[in-house]
Amino acid sequence: NAGVTQTPKFRILKIGQSMTLQCTQDMNHNYMYWYRQDPGMGLKLIYYSVGAGITDKGEVPNGYNVSRSTTEDFPLRLELAAPSQTSVYFCASSYPTRQGLGTEAFFGQGTRLTVV
Amino acid sequence: DAKTTQPTSMDCAEGRAANLPCNHSTISGNEYVYWYRQIHSQGPQYIIHGLKNNETNEMASLIITEDRKSSTLILPHATLRDTAVYYCIVRPLNFNKFYFGSGTKLNVKP
Repeated sequence: NAGVTQTPKFRILKIGQSMTLQCTQDMNHNYMYWYRQDPGMGLKLIYYSVGAGITDKGEVPNGYNVSRSTTEDFPLRLELAAPSQTSVYFCASSYPTRQGLGTEAFFGQGTRLTVV
Repeated sequence: DAKTTQPTSMDCAEGRAANLPCNHSTISGNEYVYWYRQIHSQGPQYIIHGLKNNETNEMASLIITEDRKSSTLILPHATLRDTAVYYCIVRPLNFNKFYFGSGTKLNVKP
């Protein structure tokens, strides 16, 4: 298993450009997440999905869009890049909660995005 | 969602036990305590989780107080590779969202 794979690893965007951060997992996890991490800070939840066709906002969704057409893939879209979106983006996945059990999230290695 | 409070940073000597505290005084009865760590700029890595009882795995031990208002992550023999930011997270049972706070920067020194 490759786990959670994110592409690209690095990207520089100009203000106003758009791009899609790709995330795919091969663990058949229903739940997937997107986080951003600004320098020296903790992770902030952007969007999450509980299964194909279902997405919802997290703590900081403004400026982003997501889709979940398959269990494996959860792309994050930036439509009009702004300097405030300079950050490291992490994708994660996990099994759904089962009664009496907790489950951990598995993270990708991140995409470092700079908007200039 | 219950909030967590952790010290900003801690030091530990290599080979000694590292004890990382976390306060979660507003935790609900059905919320789990999770610990993750993030080494340098890598993706966070799961360590351990628990509900009421103390837990141990190959990486660490988790001690949860009887009233569940605080917990301690124990790395029994810290190595230099354990230098990382450690996050204590309380996860609502009804949904699998993970909210990260600022964490504790653990510095393991030779």
